[in-house]
Amino acid sequence: DAGITQSPRHKVTETGTPVTLRCHQTENHRYMYWYRQDPGHGLRLIHYSYGVKDTDKGEVSDGYSVSRSKTEDFLLTLESATSSQTSVYFCAIGSYLYEQYFGPGTRLTVT
Amino acid sequence: GQQVMQIPQYQHVQEGEDFTTYCNSSTTLSNIQWYKQRPGGHPVFLIQLVKSGEVKKQKRLTFQFGEAKKNSSLHITATQTTDVGTYFCAGPGYGGSQGNLIFGKGTKLSVKP
Repeated sequence: DAGITQSPRHKVTETGTPVTLRCHQTENHRYMYWYRQDPGHGLRLIHYSYGVKDTDKGEVSDGYSVSRSKTEDFLLTLESATSSQTSVYFCAIGSYLYEQYFGPGTRLTVT
Repeated sequence: GQQVMQIPQYQHVQEGEDFTTYCNSSTTLSNIQWYKQRPGGHPVFLIQLVKSGEVKKQKRLTFQFGEAKKNSSLHITATQTTDVGTYFCAGPGYGGSQGNLIFGKGTKLSVKP
């Protein structure tokens, strides 16, 4: 497996609280991605980064923000968590033209 | 917007039977990728197809890319319980989706021993 870690791996939080998920890579990849996975919806892109401080929105970006201050770290922030953001979140590295490598995922529950 | 569709959504087979999942894109793709996700796991890259009409094999798995580069299939011969999981196809986004991989919703395969 590629050197990608996600933290935390599991989190339970209350509606309205801020949450930050971290993705860390040791592969020096330029591109990093955040996806959410929900039953019946497959993998949906939230945000992606194509370099330090360079980010763009994906299909389901509302309610999420990201930051990338270093090549190895890509942070996903839910400013005010809602129950609809209960999901499994995957970070990935690689390119949209070539293969992507996924982290182990973070299971987030918003109560 | 650009879409990648997969059928069937679910497939239940008896061990030893064959399995096929189909992927169709609303646009011509420069390449198509296939991923497998085991239950409770993360998606794992299987293969990339680039050329029109390309066929690639990995042991019991056969991948095809259509002549028009808008469809693809994954065929598993003589399924085993280790094949259980969800299979996703994905293609590069264009225009407003450039920089993204567009994933199909996946086909969930269960294998009865």
